[in-house]
Amino acid sequence: DTGVSQNPRHKITKRGQNVTFRCDPISEHNRLYWYRQTLGQGPEFLTYFQNEAQLEKSRLLSDRFSAERPKGSFSTLEIQRTEQGDSAMYLCASSLGGTSGTSGKNTGELFFGEGSRLTVL
Amino acid sequence: AQKITQTQPGMFVQEKEAVTLDCTYDTSDQSYGLFWYKQPSSGEMIFLIYQGSYDEQNATEGRYSLNFQKARKSANLVISASQLGDSAMYFCAMRGRYNFNKFYFGSGTKLNVKP
Repeated sequence: DTGVSQNPRHKITKRGQNVTFRCDPISEHNRLYWYRQTLGQGPEFLTYFQNEAQLEKSRLLSDRFSAERPKGSFSTLEIQRTEQGDSAMYLCASSLGGTSGTSGKNTGELFFGEGSRLTVL
Repeated sequence: AQKITQTQPGMFVQEKEAVTLDCTYDTSDQSYGLFWYKQPSSGEMIFLIYQGSYDEQNATEGRYSLNFQKARKSANLVISASQLGDSAMYFCAMRGRYNFNKFYFGSGTKLNVKP
């Protein structure tokens, strides 16, 4: 399977605990994104990497959140001291910069993983 | 600021019929891209179709077509010959065409295809 892989798929934790999610993007993709999705809403942007550099962070990403992408390959998203409001689906996506995309168009569409669902009790 | 609005929380369609899912957007960018994604109950977001703001023709991909009306800032998704497997959430999204950093998503439309 050469798609975007995320794990764990589900995580249940108690408030105050730390959790870490991992994302393995499509191997040739240099851009990696984290989004958060709550029930009944569309995905909200959290952060973006180009290779190993974290180039943009949303205000949604409080100090308790940290994301890394060492060596520009897989990425981790860690949430420290989890709160009930952190319960959500965390989606990872990757894309290939430059002229790419389906049908030869420069669409830069995102390829998403299946997400990691976090439940904070 | 960029904003996507999907005003239909839920839609029903009879199998084999066509259905239109509405999407309007707001942006001050002259160049931008519009996307539709499908999210089945499994959770994965699946890319369906793309429309560039300067594309003269409406985009088509198989049973999916995008009814792009630039002056109205609308980008409606048309699904022809609906199938049971089309039942899912559908999200409209937008980004600046030369800014790959951020996609803005609407709140989605839940489509139910009835047999």
